[in-house]
Amino acid sequence: NAGVTQTPKFQVLKTGQSMTLQCAQDMNHNSMYWYRQDPGMGLRLIYYSASEGTTDKGEVPNGYNVSRLNKREFSLRLESAAPSQTSVYFCASREHGTGSFQPQHFGDGTRLSIL
Amino acid sequence: AQSVTQLDSQVPVFEEAPVELRCNYSSSVSVYLFWYVQYPNQGLQLLLKYLSGSTLVKSINGFEAEFNKSQTSFHLRKPSVHISDTAEYFCALEETSGSRLTFGEGTQLTVNP
Repeated sequence: NAGVTQTPKFQVLKTGQSMTLQCAQDMNHNSMYWYRQDPGMGLRLIYYSASEGTTDKGEVPNGYNVSRLNKREFSLRLESAAPSQTSVYFCASREHGTGSFQPQHFGDGTRLSIL
Repeated sequence: AQSVTQLDSQVPVFEEAPVELRCNYSSSVSVYLFWYVQYPNQGLQLLLKYLSGSTLVKSINGFEAEFNKSQTSFHLRKPSVHISDTAEYFCALEETSGSRLTFGEGTQLTVNP
């Protein structure tokens, strides 16, 4: 079982470059999430998608855009990367609102450095 | 707005010693509470959850947490830790009517031989 797959695992960018982080889940979940993890700050929600065709801002959306391409895939785009966006990015998915509580499942992360 | 505070950023302990990782939360509405564990270079895994019912919840690997509504706490405990428990632990909450997790800052547990 692949679960939640993120690509790439590592990336180094220069300031001003653009980049798309990919996320795909094979669990047929309706909801997907993008987080960033920074030391001493836990995980903070960037954007989420409650269902195919919908996206909403989270706690720290500035500088990012997302696309829910289909039920499986949810991508995160940095249009003009800044050093403050150096972080570890996690994608998660879950089945939500369809009965009993289901937890979020996380990918292994993308480690992004911006010089 | 809700928030989660983990009171210790780092907790070093010796193998076979007991450990408590502290978590306090703030919310004006009913919440679900969670502990997640993150091993090096991996994503987060759900360790245990409180949804309703018994306030003491347990994981399969010996951790337990108690929901204390009056003290707004959800501390994680284990009576005897192993080297393999070394990881970062995150406390999190979700409003019962919502769909978004709010995480604490994380506690790095390091178990030394």
